[in-house]
Amino acid sequence: SQQGEEDPQALSIQEGENATMNCSYKTSINNLQWYRQNSGRGLVHLILIRSNEREKHSGRLRVTLDTSKKSSSLLITASRAADTASYFCATASNTGGFKTIFGAGTRLFVKA
Amino acid sequence: DVKVTQSSRYLVKRTGEKVFLECVQDMDHENMFWYRQDPGLGLRLIYFSYDVKMKEKGDIPEGYSVSREKKERFSLILESASTNQTSMYLCASSQTFNPETQYFGPGTRLLVL
Repeated sequence: SQQGEEDPQALSIQEGENATMNCSYKTSINNLQWYRQNSGRGLVHLILIRSNEREKHSGRLRVTLDTSKKSSSLLITASRAADTASYFCATASNTGGFKTIFGAGTRLFVKA
Repeated sequence: DVKVTQSSRYLVKRTGEKVFLECVQDMDHENMFWYRQDPGLGLRLIYFSYDVKMKEKGDIPEGYSVSREKKERFSLILESASTNQTSMYLCASSQTFNPETQYFGPGTRLLVL
């Protein structure tokens, strides 16, 4: 079964609005990452947050992690049409050997 | 600039054919991975490799094999392609000291008829 599950599955917003995507996971982790995938392309690493961190920023991206709730959120502020893509969370743990597990993704559509 | 390349963007094969998917990275990364991506299922790990000539099964290795003869190259082999192997295949690599950050290739969309 999937470790990371994103919510919502799809999101449509207007340019300039903020977009929030959530990720829930089941077991303990070392870190959680967010990736972006443009249509028909490979994934691009956006940001990594470690299990002892609560919040991290990178440009217009803000990621939070709540290990007690086993959840994370990705906030994209002042969205642009170019932010249209699928966003995946990935959890990494070294329990039983190093492993990264990806969720099914959130499809974000930003209307110009 | 970091680069992972895959031999084909699109591939059409017939059931029973042997299929080779090639992946090359120019970052001197130790770790390499093969995933398949299907709608609603996210990425699922097929095989990975920590070093030359080493390979480990992922979550869905059945029907696949891999080869890593050189550090920069990781090949995925479908011994006898089947229609349920129609999918998007993604290759990735990462460094040993930063294993979690993976760099992905553009993907190969494989259609098995």
